[in-house]
This record gives sequence, C-alpha cells and structure tokens, in this order.
Amino acid sequence: NAGVTQTPKFRVLKTGQSMTLLCAQDMNHEYMYWYRQDPGMGLRLIHYSVGEGTTAKGEVPDGYNVSRLKKQNFLLGLESAAPSQTSVYFCASSYTTTEAFFGQGTRLTVV
Amino acid sequence: KNEVEQSPQNLTAQEGEFITINCSYSVGISALHWLQQHPGGGIVSLFMLSSGKKKHGRLIATINIQEKHSSLHITASHPRDSAVYICAVVSGNTPLVFGKGTRLSVIA
Repeated sequence: NAGVTQTPKFRVLKTGQSMTLLCAQDMNHEYMYWYRQDPGMGLRLIHYSVGEGTTAKGEVPDGYNVSRLKKQNFLLGLESAAPSQTSVYFCASSYTTTEAFFGQGTRLTVV
Repeated sequence: KNEVEQSPQNLTAQEGEFITINCSYSVGISALHWLQQHPGGGIVSLFMLSSGKKKHGRLIATINIQEKHSSLHITASHPRDSAVYICAVVSGNTPLVFGKGTRLSVIA
C-alpha cells in the first residue's frame, strides 16, 4: 500500500545541472500535483495534471517542466538548476480537487 | 485567487495547554483542510470540513462559512503535537490553496 512515492528523497545539484524528480501513485488518481515548500512561503503549486497526457501551470512554473505520460507517474524536470530552486518538493495526487495525498518530499539543494 | 491567512505563525505552549490556530480566507470555498507536517516529515490530512465542527481525539476543527474562518483546537497539548499545521481551501475545480502554516512547539 505505497500511496504516493517520490524519488529521490535527497539530492544536491550544481548550478546548471539537470535532473528529474519522479512521483508515482498507486491509487488510480486522475489529479497529480507538484509543489515546492520554502520557509515562510508555504506550499506553492508548480505544475499539475488533471489526467494522463495533460499538464497545466501553477503559481510558480518558471524553470520547471513536467510530463504525465502514464496515469500513475508525474515527472518534474529541472533543465538548468539554479540556487533559487533549492527547496523541498512535494508531489500529491487525488481523485478530485477536494483532497490531496502527499508524498514524503524531496529535499533539493542547488549549490 | 483565494488568499489564505493563518495565525499565529509560531506558537509555543506548555504541555497540557489548550491551543487554537486560526485560518481565514478571502473567497467562498466548498471545503477546507487542516494538515499536519512533522519536522522532516511528510504532510498528512487531519480534517476536511465544509461546515460545522469535526472532532478526532484531542483535535477539534470548526468552520464558519459566512465569516470565512476556521479554527483548529488541540486540547491537553502534548510534545508529540509539535508540528507545522497547515490550512488549505478548496474552491471549485481549482487545486488546493494553502496557508503558510503555523509552527507549534509544545514544551514538556
């Protein structure tokens, strides 16, 4: 009963490097979300998806890309990492927009 | 966009104290969540409510839709209640909008 699984859990990147964060859910949820959490800012929506093959921009999409090729997976990409992208990233999924089940988070540091 | 404000931002309490955390929002909603995040941990949902009051153990959540306000109460607080408590609101088919959280520390 995995729920929402994020990989990796920790990562350190150098400025300019690229990486992909993977979110996988086994609950057959239509909706999936990527958030970033920064001190004093709360959770801010980066991108989200309302179903397989669809993506939409959230509040802070710049510098990130996403893909939802399979219903159970939602990938978040950083093409050229910047120190401003140092954050804790959370993935979430849900049946509807009234709820959210969260992963354990990925702590990313860009040096 | 719905603006969600939580107060206080930080709260320190002695074990056993009654605690109240407040959440207000600017636009009408269909539901409101209270979430809990322990240090270094994930985020779990405590309550989802659209009216009235819900109780689970020592936690009580209330909402007043007309006043656009919700409160989370913790009775007989304990150090294990130390966490960040987050309010999030649901409006139509848009994703959840989150408050910035209230950091609670309960001292033995």
